[in-house]
Amino acid sequence: TQLLEQSPQFLSIQEGENLTVYCNSSSVFSSLQWYRQEPGEGPVLLVTVVTGGEVKKLKRLTFQFGDARKDSSLHITAAQPGDTGLYLCAGAPKAAGNKLTFGGGTRVLVKP
Amino acid sequence: EPEVTQTPSHQVTQMGQEVILRCVPISNHLYFYWYRQILGQKVEFLVSFYNNEISEKSEIFDDQFSVERPDGSNFTLKIRSTKLEDSAMYFCASSEFYRGTDTQYFGPGTRLTVL
Repeated sequence: TQLLEQSPQFLSIQEGENLTVYCNSSSVFSSLQWYRQEPGEGPVLLVTVVTGGEVKKLKRLTFQFGDARKDSSLHITAAQPGDTGLYLCAGAPKAAGNKLTFGGGTRVLVKP
Repeated sequence: EPEVTQTPSHQVTQMGQEVILRCVPISNHLYFYWYRQILGQKVEFLVSFYNNEISEKSEIFDDQFSVERPDGSNFTLKIRSTKLEDSAMYFCASSEFYRGTDTQYFGPGTRLTVL
């Protein structure tokens, strides 16, 4: 069974600060997808990273896929209260198929 | 922007009753999935479906569960005899292809409450 561990589980910061969320595994993934989920709603895709070492930017969000494709990070620069939410990483196994394994999520609270 | 839709948004049922959860995947997508999320727990894979066949299923997806694409647009998840522990958010997702590099897009979910 492939596991994805996210850390920290909860992060509370002041507006304007930076934060990093980590997603780690001992398994290799074909891709890692980052989602944001609001209470009672479905995961909304932020980005998919595919290539080892890949870095993708989405405005103030920077996503990195580890060289060995076992881990990923999400860095938010100058966080805003609108960044508050639950961030999920999900990995697709290296083998054929597209079953996603989800991490437990990191709940981010950005205080004004 | 195309999106996955699900109905109903909330379903309340009595234990032992059958429920059908409905999904309309993104129109040009060929691969469909069901996931569930029990309150406070991780999102878990249930089943993937392509070309009117199950591609992969998890241990959770036992004989009480079935999936169907009854027409060209809908994708359904049926639970034959619901149990209390089936209470969860159920998410439908779709992707264009079935490679590990392909993005899955999720619907807003159906909250199933079994009493």
